[in-house]
Amino acid sequence: QKEVEQDPGPLSVPEGAIVSLNCTYSNSAFQYFMWYRQYSRKGPELLMYTYSSGNKEDGRFTAQVDKSSKYISLFIRDSQPSDSATYLCAMRGSNYKLTFGKGTLLTVNP
Amino acid sequence: GAVVSQHPSRVICKSGTSVKIECRSLDFQATTMFWYRQFPKQSLMLMATSNEGSKATYEQGVEKDKFLINHASLTLSTLTVTSAHPEDSSFYICSALKGASTDTQYFGPGTRLTVL
Repeated sequence: QKEVEQDPGPLSVPEGAIVSLNCTYSNSAFQYFMWYRQYSRKGPELLMYTYSSGNKEDGRFTAQVDKSSKYISLFIRDSQPSDSATYLCAMRGSNYKLTFGKGTLLTVNP
Repeated sequence: GAVVSQHPSRVICKSGTSVKIECRSLDFQATTMFWYRQFPKQSLMLMATSNEGSKATYEQGVEKDKFLINHASLTLSTLTVTSAHPEDSSFYICSALKGASTDTQYFGPGTRLTVL
């Protein structure tokens, strides 16, 4: 079993839809959870960073962590065509080494 | 801000040659930088951790003699792919830790390496 599993997608939604992206993990040592957005042929850009169970909101983005179920989610409200990208979950334990999911390719259609 | 640059953005080389990729933190000092490799439709895989002034720490399965890392200053780390082969063709991305009190990694834009 891989340490981090991410819904592979691809995911295609109409503009304005609510998008749900998910990852599960198996390593109980993971304490910090991140979501990155990566446009084609570009480096990842940090979107959300959380370390406790519960929800964290930033504009149209909400990150949700459930440590008991080892499950994290990213919700995007009122999705826009500019949100079209690959979304990567990432997590780490007490050191700085990040473990990434494979990424979900999202397309928001106008 | 926290800007990380990489140079070159794309490079094509012949099999057997060596290629150097630079990673720079433009507006902050980075004692720790990371090098990742990303194959098409795959996730980022950590290759090595680069610490300024000391030897890099390589992940299991990554050949340290093939992927030479030098972190000579607080703003520059280099990755040299020696004797490159077609299977080394990939997207190489660096990241930098901003400061000692934060654990956020800022990523560079990546370098596309194609070995013919």
